[in-house]
Amino acid sequence: DTGVSQDPRHKITKRGQNVTFRCDPISEHNRLYWYRQTLGQGPEFLTYFQNEAQLEKSRLLSNRFSAERPKGSFSTLEIQRTEQGDSAMYLCASSLGLALFEQFFGPGTRLTVL
Amino acid sequence: GDSVTQMEGPVTLSEEAFLTINCTYTATGYPSLFWYVQYPGEGLQLLLKATKADDKGSNKGFEATYRKETTSFHLEKGSVQVSDSAVYFCALIDSGSRLTFGEGTQLTVNP
Repeated sequence: DTGVSQDPRHKITKRGQNVTFRCDPISEHNRLYWYRQTLGQGPEFLTYFQNEAQLEKSRLLSNRFSAERPKGSFSTLEIQRTEQGDSAMYLCASSLGLALFEQFFGPGTRLTVL
Repeated sequence: GDSVTQMEGPVTLSEEAFLTINCTYTATGYPSLFWYVQYPGEGLQLLLKATKADDKGSNKGFEATYRKETTSFHLEKGSVQVSDSAVYFCALIDSGSRLTFGEGTQLTVNP
């Protein structure tokens, strides 16, 4: 399968714990994006990378959130000291080159913070 | 900032009915416009796109025309099928690389 993959698909954690999600983009795609989707809403942009460089971060990305893409391939999104408001679907997407190229989305990681 | 507004859902139609889902946008520049679809249990998929005014995007019988004068990008299909049941998201990219999505419209098509 050559699509975008995300791991885990589901994560349940207790408030205050740290969690880390992984995204593997389509192999030749140099841009990688993270979005967050809460129930009944459209996805909201969090951050994106071109190769290993993080080029843009949303105001939604508080200092408890950190994203990395160390070798320009897979990416991780870590949330420290989780809060109940962090419960959401975290989506990863990748694209090839310029902004107008289609962003291909992964299936998402659903986070539930108890 | 940029924003996208979609018609409120959910929308329920009978098979072979005509579908319109309204979408209007606010952007500071000249955005590219998209419709994404999310089938139950699956990830978001691009349905169609238009990159400049008066462009018409089309795919799988769905169409949408980029109307700059009304800042709209309404999604239409002449005859819906049960398999079209999904959540539809209107979205734009303006000057950057981030997609800005509407809130989504749940479509249910009954046989």
